Formats: sequence, structure tokens, C-alpha cells
Amino acid sequence: AQSVSQHNHHVILSEAASLELGCNYSYGGTVNLFWYVQYPGQHLQLLLKYFSGDPLVKGIKGFEAEFIKSKFSFNLRKPSVQWSDTAEYFCAVSSTGSARQLTFGSGTQLTVLP
Amino acid sequence: KAGVTQTPRYLIKTRGQQVTLSCSPISGHRSVSWYQQTPGQGLQFLFEYFSETQRNKGNFPGRFSGRQFSNSRSEMNVSTLELGDSALYLCASSLTGTPRETQYFGPGTRLLVL
Repeated sequence: AQSVSQHNHHVILSEAASLELGCNYSYGGTVNLFWYVQYPGQHLQLLLKYFSGDPLVKGIKGFEAEFIKSKFSFNLRKPSVQWSDTAEYFCAVSSTGSARQLTFGSGTQLTVLP
Repeated sequence: KAGVTQTPRYLIKTRGQQVTLSCSPISGHRSVSWYQQTPGQGLQFLFEYFSETQRNKGNFPGRFSGRQFSNSRSEMNVSTLELGDSALYLCASSLTGTPRETQYFGPGTRLLVL
């Protein structure tokens, strides 16, 4: 069974600071990786996703993530955060195969101080 | 295009009762998935429907059931409610539900069981 770990439960940063949120997954086969974001009072929405190819993927709002297969990691990064990035961030994985479900990490609450 | 809609948005029930939640996917989307979100367990997959057939089921008791109609709308039913069923229930839709597709989430139905 696949699993996802997000070790940072709550991150507090000041505006303009750089961000890196950790995500590690456990699965022996080929995986598809996603980062979703949930802004206060809003729906879960996709930030970016990775299937194959260039391990550095860019998403919306200046976010990017790097897939490191040897470390089973898919960390989310942003060079300079804004107050509007305050939200909960979820890493998720789906396996390439018959399973049609997303397995989510526990989420990281990011608070950006103005 | 209208997004995923869920009704009702809020529900209060008592233990032992049953509840039905509804989800209307994005027009053209034929796959609908349901997730339960709680502070303790995070986001957990319940089940996925495609063309009125349940294709995948998460690790939840049989009290949790669902169905999908020919217009792709889906309902989720929880019978004999328990206090621990209090949660945000999210519905997500995608075109065909393949593992690489983006799932689009609705706003959720917040269920409180007293």
C-alpha cells in the first residue's frame, strides 16, 4: 500500500522568505505525484503534478517541486512567499495501475506573517 | 464551466441516523471520488465511481455506501451514524479517473454527528 509523509505540520514564515515543504512517499512502483493547496474557506486545488520526465516541475503561483526518486521525495518550494500563500498544503500520490485514488499526506499548515 | 458542487454544505445529525450527501461533477466528467477529511486522520479515500459502477473502495465500514447516476451525479450514504463520522466530506471529479488526471474538488459537506 502507498503512503505519504509530510513531516512539517505547521510552518511559520515572514513574507519574502523562501519555502520548502517536505514530502516523502512509500511505494515500490511507478507513482504520480501531486501537491494540492487549500486556502482558508476555499476548495482543494491543484498546485502542480509530476508523472515523468523533467524531475523539476513548475506549478501555479510561482511554486515548483522536485522529484528525487532515490529519496522517494517530492518537496515543494517557493523562492519568496507572500501573505496570500497562507494555506494548508497537501502532498498526494496515485499509483500507475488499476487503483484510482489519491493517497494524501497529513498536510502542512503554512502561515505567512506580513 | 461550473465547478464541482456539493449539497448540502452543512448537516447536523444525531447518532443512529442516516445521511445522504450529493455531488454534481464538472460537466463532462464521468469519474467521481469521495474523501473524508478529519483533523485526526486527514484526507482518506472512500470510493470512486465511473459510469455508475464503483471501481475502487477505501478502507471504510459497510455503513458507507454510494452510487452514481447516469448523468454522473453521485450520492454518498452513511447509515447508523457514529460520533466519529463527523467530518468534512469532499467530492472530486475527473474526466475518466485515470491515475494521472487532475481531480477537481468541491467545497465539501460538513457533517456534525451529535
